[in-house]
Amino acid sequence: LAKTTQPISMDSYEGQEVNITCSHNNIATNDYITWYQQFPSQGPRFIIQGYKTKVTNEVASLFIPADRKSSTLSLPRVSLSDTAVYYCLVGDIGRGWAGNMLTFGGGTRLMVKP
Amino acid sequence: NAGVTQTPKFRVLKTGQSMTLLCAQDMNHEYMYWYRQDPGMGLRLIHYSVGEGTTAKGEVPDGYNVSRLKKQNFLLGLESAAPSQTSVYFCASSYPGRETYEQYFGPGTRLTVT
Repeated sequence: LAKTTQPISMDSYEGQEVNITCSHNNIATNDYITWYQQFPSQGPRFIIQGYKTKVTNEVASLFIPADRKSSTLSLPRVSLSDTAVYYCLVGDIGRGWAGNMLTFGGGTRLMVKP
Repeated sequence: NAGVTQTPKFRVLKTGQSMTLLCAQDMNHEYMYWYRQDPGMGLRLIHYSVGEGTTAKGEVPDGYNVSRLKKQNFLLGLESAAPSQTSVYFCASSYPGRETYEQYFGPGTRLTVT
């Protein structure tokens, strides 16, 4: 199971682009990278998932270099409502991530200021 | 669709009491999970189920039991509550085999054991 390392916290201002990097040096060949967002008193919410290069959706972009030992979640033009904890997870989605394949670390607490 | 719902939202127990948390999902998902989240921490997997009638242990199963008698429901039981089980409990569900693997989380149950 690939261990992930993220910054504990980050601060930003409204309108800025935020990049959160996750290290996963022992990522396996079949592992995918997924990011979740969690607001206080709520369950986590899926943001984006990728295997390599770049993935973009209406909320964020995910950049994965060729060696896949790290990944970067990019949030364009953040607002106050993006203040949350962001989790990076690595696992083999082909196995459905049942059981111990899915591990949430401590996450990165993003604080967006006005 | 209601998604994933959890009952109750809040509960206070005395040490030694028992209770059952109910998770229900209306998305016809095969996999269901129970997590706990302690203050300032990430989520830790308690038990999971890959289908009706099946359950398995996760990372922190001690002191909990589960049952999946119906596909849409996943019950988490505490037979003899302890203060160390004070936490927020999240249920999640997922459908394996799709192109994007995503877990859908419920709103959580805040449990206090005195």
